[in-house]
Amino acid sequence: DAKTTQPNSMESNEEEPVHLPCNHSTISGTDYIHWYRQLPSQGPEYVIHGLTSNVNNRMASLAIAEDRKSSTLILHRATLRDAAVYYCILRGSGGGADGLTFGKGTHLIIQP
Amino acid sequence: NAGVTQTPKFQVLKTGQSMTLQCAQDMNHNSMYWYRQDPGMGLRLIYYSASEGTTDKGEVPNGYNVSRLNKREFSLRLESAAPSQTSVYFCASSETGRGWGAIYFGEGSWLTVV
Repeated sequence: DAKTTQPNSMESNEEEPVHLPCNHSTISGTDYIHWYRQLPSQGPEYVIHGLTSNVNNRMASLAIAEDRKSSTLILHRATLRDAAVYYCILRGSGGGADGLTFGKGTHLIIQP
Repeated sequence: NAGVTQTPKFQVLKTGQSMTLQCAQDMNHNSMYWYRQDPGMGLRLIYYSASEGTTDKGEVPNGYNVSRLNKREFSLRLESAAPSQTSVYFCASSETGRGWGAIYFGEGSWLTVV
């Protein structure tokens, strides 16, 4: 499976935008880029996913590099409730029901 | 819309006891998953089910069995619990096993084996 690389931790201020980077240099053409987050003592929560084009939803935006070897999750205006571990994961489109392979993610700290 | 529901939320077992974790989803999803998460670690896949009637092993299946009872329900059984199985267990579901399917998780079941 293609792997992703994320910083161990990042810190940001409340009400400011946050850009969470992810490198995936061995991504294949059919891998989707998924982002999930996990708040303390909760299950992971789906945030956003995309294949080639940038994506927006009510939670965040996903910016995908033209060569697809990296991506950035953008939280437009961070709140204290966005403090969580953020996971960038590649999900292949082959057959079967392969689940997600979680790395250690980025621990996002939001300062008031 | 409840999403993915797991029971029980907390359980303490003695070594050698058995128990079943129940999971149900109301999103009409085809694929379901069981993960475990140890303190400070990422999630690891135990078993998954691509569709009703099929199950497959994930990364850490030893000591567990699963049953895909119907499209909605996917249970995880510990036949003879061991302290190494102390963990948080998450059930999840997805419309499809393919890359474009988002995965939705339950709130977790905290299991302690003493």
